[in-house]
Amino acid sequence: GAGVSQTPSNKVTEKGKYVELRCDPISGHTALYWYRQSLGQGPEFLIYFQGTGAADDSGLPNDRFFAVRPEGSVSTLKIQRTERGDSAVYLCASSSGQGGSTDTQYFGPGTRLTVL
Amino acid sequence: KQEVTQIPAALSVPEGENLVLNCSFTDSAIYNLQWFRQDPGKGLTSLLLIQSSQREQTSGRLNASLDKSSGRSTLYIAASQPGDSATYLCAVTSRGTASKLTFGTGTRLQVTL
Repeated sequence: GAGVSQTPSNKVTEKGKYVELRCDPISGHTALYWYRQSLGQGPEFLIYFQGTGAADDSGLPNDRFFAVRPEGSVSTLKIQRTERGDSAVYLCASSSGQGGSTDTQYFGPGTRLTVL
Repeated sequence: KQEVTQIPAALSVPEGENLVLNCSFTDSAIYNLQWFRQDPGKGLTSLLLIQSSQREQTSGRLNASLDKSSGRSTLYIAASQPGDSATYLCAVTSRGTASKLTFGTGTRLQVTL
């Protein structure tokens, strides 16, 4: 597709369950980012991939959160033992990965996660 | 730690008015600054990107300025239209953490008929 896609668009789960959120970046983009946006707040950085490897995971809040990008394209954000405080919109972005001051990030529509 | 603040949090203007949105950041060592638009329930759309060496960027009715030394940016919207109603987010990429964006909390703009 032409843009970043994310599935599902909405996910409702119960406290304690495991969830997976998927991101399909723009074709050819080597850099991929995950952000989390709580209501009324700006997005907060979670993790950044360059190719298959996590170049910066400093934003992951705790060890319940994990993300993979095994083939350097699609990424999955995994959340174990979900808590009500995990409820937010999870945004994915991709960029060319060439770095520098003009490397624009393009965002997907997000996945709205609700933990009951 | 970089912090980004946006003022005002919300703004309502009648159609046709020119308006200015403000963004400030605490650490002037940035690679670039971006302005995004977010519509309800949607992702972010990049409007303008200003490199740290630039003073301003223009796209149509939008003009963004950057004063890196004072840690400030403004987004100027000329001749506002109801379709401009959205939340506008400012974000910076800081040196040393070159790949992640640090966002402000946004300004929610409503342009009324």
